[in-house]
Amino acid sequence: QSALTQPASVSGSPGQSITISCTGTSSDVGGYNYVSWYQQHPGKAPKLMIYDVSNRPSGVSNRFSGSKSGNTASLTISGLQAEDEADYYCNSYTISSTLYVFGTGTKVTVL
Amino acid sequence: VRLLESGGGLLQPGGSLRLSCAASGFTFSSYAMSWVRQAPGKGLEWVSGISGSGGSTSYADSVKGRFTISRDNSKNTLYLQMSSLRAEDTALYYCTKGIRVGVTPFDYWGRGTLVTVSS
Repeated sequence: QSALTQPASVSGSPGQSITISCTGTSSDVGGYNYVSWYQQHPGKAPKLMIYDVSNRPSGVSNRFSGSKSGNTASLTISGLQAEDEADYYCNSYTISSTLYVFGTGTKVTVL
Repeated sequence: VRLLESGGGLLQPGGSLRLSCAASGFTFSSYAMSWVRQAPGKGLEWVSGISGSGGSTSYADSVKGRFTISRDNSKNTLYLQMSSLRAEDTALYYCTKGIRVGVTPFDYWGRGTLVTVSS
């Protein structure tokens, strides 16, 4: 089971919106609405930001939103803030024997 | 919710180790749990998961046959028995909590315990 494909880096200025893509196959992202997104600051544990494609856990800013089209899921951060600078990972359930697969990770830089 | 991992360390290739995760702040037996690892400077990799009752387990292909996940609901503790360890198993191992019984994202993470496999 290969990792889901994410861009290595995405950047934006404060206040702008950015979108991170997460591309898989019909066996994972495209086949199920079980895509989640995690934010990880350096030296910290990951934090759940989006689950089931577009749901936000309690306490997560509504500046974060998720969507999916075909085999590609997306995380959009609107009104970019300095605190959003972190690594972001997508994750999906997969029909393969490996139950869950993570994306390759995207480093978000706030210019 | 609190998840506290322990048991990591430095060991030689071929060795064995058992990780533990002490959980508190929620009804442990009601949620699926997973181990997720992160090699130094690398991305996240799901390792293994177990249902709330412990009756259903799953493994990544990379660890299948070498790692065993289990849980003791009377002690609110999750375990990962690791054997035939390889250099590529070197990573920070996170204990994670699911949000529901079935297919689930991971809403709480511990701080991790470091496993280093080196001769």
